[in-house]
Amino acid sequence: QSALTQPPSVSGSPGQSVTISCTGTSSDVGSNNRVSWYQQPPGTAPKLMIYEVSNRPSGVPDRFSGSKSGNTASLTISGLQAEDEGDYYCSLYTSSSSYVFGSGTKVTVL
Amino acid sequence: QVQLQESGPGLVKPSGTLSLICAVSGGSIRSTNRWIWVRQPPGKGLDWIGEIYHTGSTNYNPSLKSRVTISVDKSKNQFSLKLNSVTAADTAVYYCARSQTLTGSFDYWGQGTLVTVSS
Repeated sequence: QSALTQPPSVSGSPGQSVTISCTGTSSDVGSNNRVSWYQQPPGTAPKLMIYEVSNRPSGVPDRFSGSKSGNTASLTISGLQAEDEGDYYCSLYTSSSSYVFGSGTKVTVL
Repeated sequence: QVQLQESGPGLVKPSGTLSLICAVSGGSIRSTNRWIWVRQPPGKGLDWIGEIYHTGSTNYNPSLKSRVTISVDKSKNQFSLKLNSVTAADTAVYYCARSQTLTGSFDYWGQGTLVTVSS
């Protein structure tokens, strides 16, 4: 199972929206809704932001939203804030009971 | 609130065995969740190592399967990782985490521990 493809970096000014893509194939992302997103500020452990494509855990701001179209899942951060800087990873729980992470995207707030 | 805490040597010699423990507090390891090990080489992305259920059932990353053993100690509410025949490529921050079985999402993470492979 190859890593899911994410853009290396995205950036935006405070208040803007940014979207991070996570691309797989019809055999994984395209046929499976167990896609999660994690935020990892520098030097800290990852934090769950979205599960099952579009569900937010308790305590995650509604500025964070997830979606999926075809073989690509996406995380959108609306109303970008300085505290949103960090690395973001998608992950997939596969049909063979294994997990694969995306390559990671660095979000920079200009 | 569930908390996970990794512990173990921070330095392992090449060809040796990396051994880590993850202590779980605030929740039972006998729950319906799965217990996960993930690693992150310096400056790189996340890599799933494997998982265990409280029954002892395991799944491993195929790329590491020949070198990895994950086990559970229900009496101590903890699980452990052993990775043998290590090389410098195994230098990484190692995280333990809890996975929600139905969603496959990791909702609680340890703080991570850096393990360096060097002579």
